[in-house]
Amino acid sequence: GQQVQQSPASLVLQEGENAELQCNFSTSLNSMQWFYQRPGGSLVSLFYNPSGTKHSGRLTSTTVIKERRSSLHISSSQTTDSGTYLCALDNNRIFFGDGTQLVVKP
Amino acid sequence: GPKVLQIPSHQIIDMGQMVTLNCDPVSNHLYFYWYKQILGQQMEFLVNFYNGKVMEKSKLFKDQFSVERPDGSYFTLKIQPTALEDSAVYFCASSPDWGGNTGQLYFGEGSKLTVL
Repeated sequence: GQQVQQSPASLVLQEGENAELQCNFSTSLNSMQWFYQRPGGSLVSLFYNPSGTKHSGRLTSTTVIKERRSSLHISSSQTTDSGTYLCALDNNRIFFGDGTQLVVKP
Repeated sequence: GPKVLQIPSHQIIDMGQMVTLNCDPVSNHLYFYWYKQILGQQMEFLVNFYNGKVMEKSKLFKDQFSVERPDGSYFTLKIQPTALEDSAVYFCASSPDWGGNTGQLYFGEGSKLTVL
């Protein structure tokens, strides 16, 4: 079955709005990762977050292992934030979610 | 759904030996990728490949690394010679189009390489 559920599947925002992306896991995990997928297909790792909250610029990741969920918050979105965001469950093997397609309109 | 198969799932070799990791991408996919993840660390991009050529590679893609897909068979990652720091899980992925157009990469489950 699907190990990782991401929501929403797609999201359209106006520039300046905040975004909240969710990841839920159906199994235990060692850690999880959030990625931004470049147009060329390569992945940019945003967070490697076993637990707790991490910040990086306008991005915040919060993982609650006992609740099997993680979130990615993007504040004050910009058009350059548009793209695909993937979360991945790390349970000795990597399981990716289907991604959230984010579109930020000017 | 579409599957990317990786062979072997686990390989143990001595430092200095050559290793070839095989990837059977989703049929009709045209773009192929390798990623590397050292245990407990982030997964990192190595290389992508299209139409018989390397399109993009990261600084992790050392001179000892090479990729090819002869005549539509396996997409391979060869390391020769191997070093201790090459111990990692290597993930293959494929996509039907350039990643940004489809937004969908399909990943294999990884090949764990242990270099002794």
